Amino acid sequence: GNSVTQMEGPVTLSEEAFLTINCTYTATGYPSLFWYVQYPGEGLQLLLKATKADDKGSNKGFEATYRKETTSFHLEKGSVQVSDSAVYFCALSDSTSGTYKYIFGTGTRLKVLA
Amino acid sequence: DVKVTQSSRYLVKRTGEKVFLECVQDMDHENMFWYRQDPGLGLRLIYFSYDVKMKEKGDIPEGYSVSREKKERFSLILESASTNQTSMYLCASSQGGGLVAKNIQYFGAGTRLSVL
Repeated sequence: GNSVTQMEGPVTLSEEAFLTINCTYTATGYPSLFWYVQYPGEGLQLLLKATKADDKGSNKGFEATYRKETTSFHLEKGSVQVSDSAVYFCALSDSTSGTYKYIFGTGTRLKVLA
Repeated sequence: DVKVTQSSRYLVKRTGEKVFLECVQDMDHENMFWYRQDPGLGLRLIYFSYDVKMKEKGDIPEGYSVSREKKERFSLILESASTNQTSMYLCASSQGGGLVAKNIQYFGAGTRLSVL
């Protein structure tokens, strides 16, 4: 079945460091891919998405490229800030049922130190 | 902006109690979802609904039921709460339809349930 694997955390970085959070997926068909972010005490909110191979999603300085050949959707940011400290979830959208259910990875906690 | 509201941020219940978690969305969305979030396990889908009075089991429906009598409200019911149901519960909704853009899920802030 479909699945999402993301790197284990926590990831601890200094402010202005480069961030990569790895995400790989297994899917039949052509899923859409998402990154969601969960700030402390809040629900999840969509960070970026990509709907087909080679698409690049971007938002708030974060980017991720849908790589079909490597089944990956790694999240990157060139210079992190303390305010980026949160849990990041990679997800894929399974449309085979017609209801676009999401399958989430386990989440990666990012801590950015000043 | 889409708003998904969960009625309680924190709940403490006793083993064997019947527990109701309520979720309301204000954007006339067709689809609604209930997840539980546990450390190291990510989000797991409990139930979802794609229309009023319609529901489908997710990946971990055992011990839970749901109710959707009105389009904007989706309730999760723990028939007899157990300690292994202590968790964070997240509700989400999406517009529905054939396009990915209409199926982006919007989440509530979550309800942290402790069963003692």
